[in-house]
Amino acid sequence: RKEVEQDPGPFNVPEGATVAFNCTYSNSASQSFFWYRQDCRKEPKLLMSVYSSGNEDGRFTAQLNRASQYISLLIRDSKLSDSATYLCVVTPYTGGFKTIFGAGTRLFVKA
Amino acid sequence: NAGVTQTPKFQVLKTGQSMTLQCAQDMNHEYMSWYRQDPGMGLRLIHYSVGAGITDQGEVPNGYNVSRSTTEDFPLRLLSAAPSQTSVYFCASTTGNQPQHFGDGTRLSIL
Repeated sequence: RKEVEQDPGPFNVPEGATVAFNCTYSNSASQSFFWYRQDCRKEPKLLMSVYSSGNEDGRFTAQLNRASQYISLLIRDSKLSDSATYLCVVTPYTGGFKTIFGAGTRLFVKA
Repeated sequence: NAGVTQTPKFQVLKTGQSMTLQCAQDMNHEYMSWYRQDPGMGLRLIHYSVGAGITDQGEVPNGYNVSRSTTEDFPLRLLSAAPSQTSVYFCASTTGNQPQHFGDGTRLSIL
């Protein structure tokens, strides 16, 4: 079993749609959780951190469920510019040097 | 802020040649890592460092060497380039449990 698993997609949605991505992780001792965005073959960029209480940043909402060991990302009112690959990221130890990246979920937003 | 700087951005090598990919960060981060990303795949950890003078292997270390003589610099050396090492290489740095900061990447082709 992979340490971090994501549905690879692709998700094809129309503009304005709401789309949700899920991610599961295997190490219950994981400390920190993030969602990154990666545009075609460019460097991954931090989208948002994920907290147990849930957090929101504009159209984006992230949730963490430690008991079930999954993380979610909800995108509301999708824009064309949201088309990208979304990476689920987990740091299993106290220290970022062992960060584990999911393979990513591809999103296409269509006009 | 420069953040994480990688050079070169593009490189073409012949099989058997050696070269060094440079990575420098100006954020005084203790953790630095090298990843490779192949088409349609996620990031795979090559080597990482938890501080000056300390390095360790990641998931796919064969064919690569690293050193960390200063906090700022973390070069990646290809000893004898092989076509299987054609990839996009990303350097990243972080501190504590903070998210990783990535460089722009080096696109490497080996003929």
